[in-house]
Amino acid sequence: AQRVTQPEKLLSVFKGAPVELKCNYSYSGSPELFWYVQYSRQRLQLLLRHISRESIKGFTADLNKGETSFHLKKPFAQEEDSAMYYCALNGGATNKLIFGTGTLLAVQP
Amino acid sequence: EPEVTQTPSHQVTQMGQEVILRCVPISNHLYFYWYRQILGQKVEFLVSFYNNEISEKSEIFDDQFSVERPDGSNFTLKIRSTKLEDSAMYFCASRLADTQYFGPGTRLTVL
Repeated sequence: AQRVTQPEKLLSVFKGAPVELKCNYSYSGSPELFWYVQYSRQRLQLLLRHISRESIKGFTADLNKGETSFHLKKPFAQEEDSAMYYCALNGGATNKLIFGTGTLLAVQP
Repeated sequence: EPEVTQTPSHQVTQMGQEVILRCVPISNHLYFYWYRQILGQKVEFLVSFYNNEISEKSEIFDDQFSVERPDGSNFTLKIRSTKLEDSAMYFCASRLADTQYFGPGTRLTVL
């Protein structure tokens, strides 16, 4: 079955602390994974995708096929990083997205 | 930068009524999607649309749902006879290459 699991509903950290948002997936083929972010009262927007191996706003994510994980990391959290973060999996031929339940990141001053 | 737009932002309807949710995808995109998010739950795929036909639909997308691209710009989701459990946030998305761009959503409340 195709599934994305984000075990933490809420992650609260202090400004300057490292952040790791966990994501695990289940997919029989070669996975294509994304992180989407939703800031307060804004739309879902793409943060990064594993194919491009980029760093956006200081965030990185590495696909670990052995552990079926795609955790999102940032070494030093900023208050403006506070948002809802969704891990998503490309679900096949039509490129539908399969989302995790999301993790709310709260960065305290 | 072009964006996906959705109207209305909030729709309140009575159970059993028909609703049409509207989306204007980004103009050069060819693939379109509807998703929904029931309060407190995950974003769920409903349907994908390409070349004027449905390319995939989920189990949620039963006979009460339909999609249409009536002209070159709009992409609509119709719910024929709404139920209480249809209350959710409905997101439209359009895709270029491997990136989906989401609209701001329509909050549907069924009373």
